[in-house]
Amino acid sequence: DQQVKQNSPSLSVQEGRISILNCDYTNSMFDYFLWYKKYPAEGPTFLISISSIKDKNEDGRFTVFLNKSAKHLSLHIVPSQPGDSAVYFCAASGTYKYIFGTGTRLKVLA
Amino acid sequence: NAGVMQNPRHLVRRRGQEARLRCSPMKGHSHVYWYRQLPEEGLKFMVYLQKENIIDESGMPKERFSAEFPKEGPSILRIQQVVRGDSAAYFCASSKQGAAYEQYFGPGTRLTVT
Repeated sequence: DQQVKQNSPSLSVQEGRISILNCDYTNSMFDYFLWYKKYPAEGPTFLISISSIKDKNEDGRFTVFLNKSAKHLSLHIVPSQPGDSAVYFCAASGTYKYIFGTGTRLKVLA
Repeated sequence: NAGVMQNPRHLVRRRGQEARLRCSPMKGHSHVYWYRQLPEEGLKFMVYLQKENIIDESGMPKERFSAEFPKEGPSILRIQQVVRGDSAAYFCASSKQGAAYEQYFGPGTRLTVT
């Protein structure tokens, strides 16, 4: 039972445009959500988080939106850069245990 | 300003041998988590430890797997009598506190069982 789903395994975006990565979850007890970026042969790198009391959090080029009623969150990257090409994981937590999605591979084309 | 350290980065073991994976958390972090990533899958929680205590091992297989985080030294994930299905990337993460705190990940140990 996949509690956190990233339904798009891959996404290609032109440099300078917006990248939108989506994530859906099923457990209404989750109250903290994070996005991680992962390069091959490296560990995930924390990008941005949001708690359930907010619906938006922004950090530079990265914005995370949370829609609790739809149990959906998204990560917007604007403008996208070639260095953003990586696998992006969303993770959800109700306690200390993170439940990860399966990841979306983003490719930013120069 | 060292991050989470894991060693070895790559480990090859024959079926039936033991694998020991080490994790040193970030300075000031006393909470350690182990995750496993199988090919084409996300990271799956295995175990959560604080110094000298296992808080939650619900994601760890009941047999052959054990974890510890002693008072001194790194956290160790131990896999006895490895099988081919244990081949995966094992990631350790640490955080300053428990719930709702960002976890920072190490580079992982890639275990290959031949």
